[in-house]
Amino acid sequence: NAGVTQTPKFQVLKTGQSMTLQCAQDMNHNSMYWYRQDPGMGLRLIYYSASEGTTDKGEVPNGYNVSRLNKREFSLRLESAAPSQTSVYFCASSEAGQIEAFFGQGTRLTVV
Amino acid sequence: QKEVEQNSGPLSVPEGAIASLNCTYSDRGSQSFFWYRQYSGKSPELIMSIYSNGDKEDGRFTAQLNKASQYVSLLIRDSQPSDSATYLCALWRDTGRRALTFGSGTRLQVQP
Repeated sequence: NAGVTQTPKFQVLKTGQSMTLQCAQDMNHNSMYWYRQDPGMGLRLIYYSASEGTTDKGEVPNGYNVSRLNKREFSLRLESAAPSQTSVYFCASSEAGQIEAFFGQGTRLTVV
Repeated sequence: QKEVEQNSGPLSVPEGAIASLNCTYSDRGSQSFFWYRQYSGKSPELIMSIYSNGDKEDGRFTAQLNKASQYVSLLIRDSQPSDSATYLCALWRDTGRRALTFGSGTRLQVQP
C-alpha cells in the first residue's frame, strides 16, 4: 500500500520554465491538497480538491494551476517558474477534512 | 494576525522530562485540531487529534484543548531523543476553506 506518491522528488528549473508535479493516492480518498513549505513558514495551502471534479484556491495560489484528473490523481502545474517558487511541495489526501491527512514524501523544487 | 500561532523554538528539554508545546488560533469557528510531527527532511505525520475541550491522552502524548481561550497544547511525557522533531499544530473549520490550516511549527530538541 503506497499511500500518497509524488513525482519527482527533486527538480531544478530555470526561471520561466514550466513543469507539472504529479500526485497519486491509492486510499480512495475524496479530498486532496497541495501545500508548500518554506523555512519558518509552516505548510501553506496552494490549492485543494474536496472531491473529484472540484478544485479551490488556497492561501497562496498565484503562479500555480491544478487538475484533479480523477479520484486518484491531483497535479500541480507551474506555468512560468520563478525563484520565489523555490520550496518543498507536499501533496496530501484525506477521506474527509476532519480526519487524518496523509502526506506524500515531498518534492524539493529549486528555481534558478 | 496568523490563523495559527506557534513559537518556532527550538524548545530544548532533557531526556525524560515533559515537553510542552503550545498553539493559539484566531478563528473561533475552528472545529478540530491536530498535532503533526515532522522529522527533518520528511513529511508530516499525524500524532494526535482533538475535537472537544479537555484532555486527550495517547501513550506518552496528551493533547489539551481550550476553545474559550483559543489554545491547544501538546504534552510529551518521558521525552526521548527520538522525539526531536518539528511539531505542527493544525486546525480544521467546517465553513470556508475546507482544508487544514497549519502553524509554522515548533522545533523540539531532546537532549540525551
